Amino acid sequence: QVQLVESGGGLVKPGGSLRLSCAASGFTFSDYYMSWIRQAPGKGLEWVSYISSSGSTIYYADSVKGRFTISRDNAKNSLYLQMNSLRAEDTAVYYCARENVVTTWGAFDIWGQGTMVTVSS
Amino acid sequence: DIQMTQSPSTLSASVGDRVTITCRASQSISSWLAWYQQKPGKAPKLLIYKASSLESGVPSRFSGSGSGTEFTLTISSLQPDDFATYYCQQGFTFGPGTKVDIK
Repeated sequence: QVQLVESGGGLVKPGGSLRLSCAASGFTFSDYYMSWIRQAPGKGLEWVSYISSSGSTIYYADSVKGRFTISRDNAKNSLYLQMNSLRAEDTAVYYCARENVVTTWGAFDIWGQGTMVTVSS
Repeated sequence: DIQMTQSPSTLSASVGDRVTITCRASQSISSWLAWYQQKPGKAPKLLIYKASSLESGVPSRFSGSGSGTEFTLTISSLQPDDFATYYCQQGFTFGPGTKVDIK
């Protein structure tokens, strides 16, 4: 079935780094734009980063620009988020999500289960 | 940047109630609006896209309307499974959410 599975979360000290992965299955990954979206404990949803289907176009939220890097490997059906210089305010559940511009007008129609990132000393 | 607001932030309702949540955009977004439902500890689930189109598998008691800057999500008869938080979304911006809890 169509699914996204994140991994790589954990506890990291302020200033540290972490790399999140998102494995896609059940659909042609290379056809879809993808995003990372996060949710701090008890808070709402915050979009973090976007990558086009080919990887040629990338956007970041101002809160992570210069610290986070999104990438994808279409041969491995995988999405990544390299997070450097982590701060306490980056503590959140990180979701990868598929953006479907063809059938759902750009809505995020498939989400992973999320991976928790905790930044604390 | 487009800002999204939602009202109310919390809504207390009973099973069987008709529930309406409003989402407003700071500038016209045509019909580029989606609605999501999120339950505690779970990922968001797409309910409505293009302001009023029901995602496959979503019960017909959910409906969306609006265009331009004002949008509504309506649950025609609230069911026990519907107690959750609802978010609107346009592009890379999410609304702050509306929590629907039990009266």
